[in-house]
Amino acid sequence: NAGVTQTPKFRILKIGQSMTLQCTQDMNHNYMYWYRQDPGMGLKLIYYSVGAGITDKGEVPNGYNVSRSTTEDFPLRLELAAPSQTSVYFCASGYVGWETQYFGPGTRLLVL
Amino acid sequence: KQEVTQIPAALSVPEGENLVLNCSFTDSAIYNLQWFRQDPGKGLTSLLLIQSSQREQTSGRLNASLDKSSGRSTLYIAASQPGDSATYLCAVGEYGNKLVFGAGTILRVKS
Repeated sequence: NAGVTQTPKFRILKIGQSMTLQCTQDMNHNYMYWYRQDPGMGLKLIYYSVGAGITDKGEVPNGYNVSRSTTEDFPLRLELAAPSQTSVYFCASGYVGWETQYFGPGTRLLVL
Repeated sequence: KQEVTQIPAALSVPEGENLVLNCSFTDSAIYNLQWFRQDPGKGLTSLLLIQSSQREQTSGRLNASLDKSSGRSTLYIAASQPGDSATYLCAVGEYGNKLVFGAGTILRVKS
């Protein structure tokens, strides 16, 4: 199993540009999550999904959108990138709510 | 709103020492508590998960305890090694296993 994979690993965006961060898991997990981690801080939940077609907001959803059309994929869309979105983005997945989450390696995003 | 605090923010110890990392949370209505390890430039690796009905979990040289009523958890690392150097994150699980993270403790074990 590859686990949770994320692409790209690193990206530089100009203010106002848009992009999609890709996340794929091959463990047949129902739950998927997007977090952001700012320097020296813990992770904050952006969006999560409990299954295909079902998504919900986390703590910091503004400026982001998600979709979940398949069990495997959970892309995160940034519209009109802003410097405040400079961060490291982590995708995670889990089988059920009371088990651990498995994290991808992260995408480092720099908005200039 | 749940808040998770980790103390100390950074810790430097000589190899072989036993050490304790602390985590506190403000709302005791949690589903579970997890400890993760994060290496520089890498993702998170789950170390231990304690369900809300449990008091502790052990894995090798690691032992984590949970006291829901006081809103505290500790991660005990025995006989520390340079390979233990990393950032350790505590996270409490809420409904839907949404995790609320602390800012982490940066651990450096000197050889």
